[in-house]
Amino acid sequence: TQLLEQSPQFLSIQEGENLTVYCNSSSVFSSLQWYRQEPGEGPVLLVTVVTGGEVKKLKRLTFQFGDARKDSSLHITAAQPGDTGLYLCAGPNTNAGKSTFGDGTTLTVKP
Amino acid sequence: KAGVTQTPRYLIKTRGQQVTLSCSPISGHRSVSWYQQTPGQGLQFLFEYFSETQRNKGNFPGRFSGRQFSNSRSEMNVSTLELGDSALYLCASSLTIHEQFFGPGTRLTVL
Repeated sequence: TQLLEQSPQFLSIQEGENLTVYCNSSSVFSSLQWYRQEPGEGPVLLVTVVTGGEVKKLKRLTFQFGDARKDSSLHITAAQPGDTGLYLCAGPNTNAGKSTFGDGTTLTVKP
Repeated sequence: KAGVTQTPRYLIKTRGQQVTLSCSPISGHRSVSWYQQTPGQGLQFLFEYFSETQRNKGNFPGRFSGRQFSNSRSEMNVSTLELGDSALYLCASSLTIHEQFFGPGTRLTVL
């Protein structure tokens, strides 16, 4: 079974701080996706990483895929209240189902 | 291009009733997946349809069923509702195995 573990589960920081959230697995994934979800809404795709060691930047967000394609991280620089939400990582499930999702990191950025 | 739409957005039912949820994918996307999201269980895969055929199925009881029409629109049905079925039901469409695009979800409350 391909599982994705995210840490931390909850994170509360002040505006302007930096943070990193992690997505780990013992399985190799062909790609990993990061989504952000706001309360009562569906997840919104932020990025897909495909190549081991790949780094992608989206404004203040930096995503990295581990060399072995078993883990990924999301780093946010100078967090803003608009970054508040549930961050989910996901990867294609080769055994069954469309994708495996992590349980998410709930980020709160206080003004 | 229009995103994934889901109707209705909110639904209140009582135990024992049945419910049908609808999803219209992004134009050109032939794969539609359904997920159940609850605070305790996270995002759980229900099933995936591709070209009117169920391609994958998650670990849910037979009370949960779905179908896909020739225009790729999909419906899911839950019969004999239980209190534990209260959740946000998310539909996602995709072109590849790597990325999914989610609708806003249907919030189902079972009383």
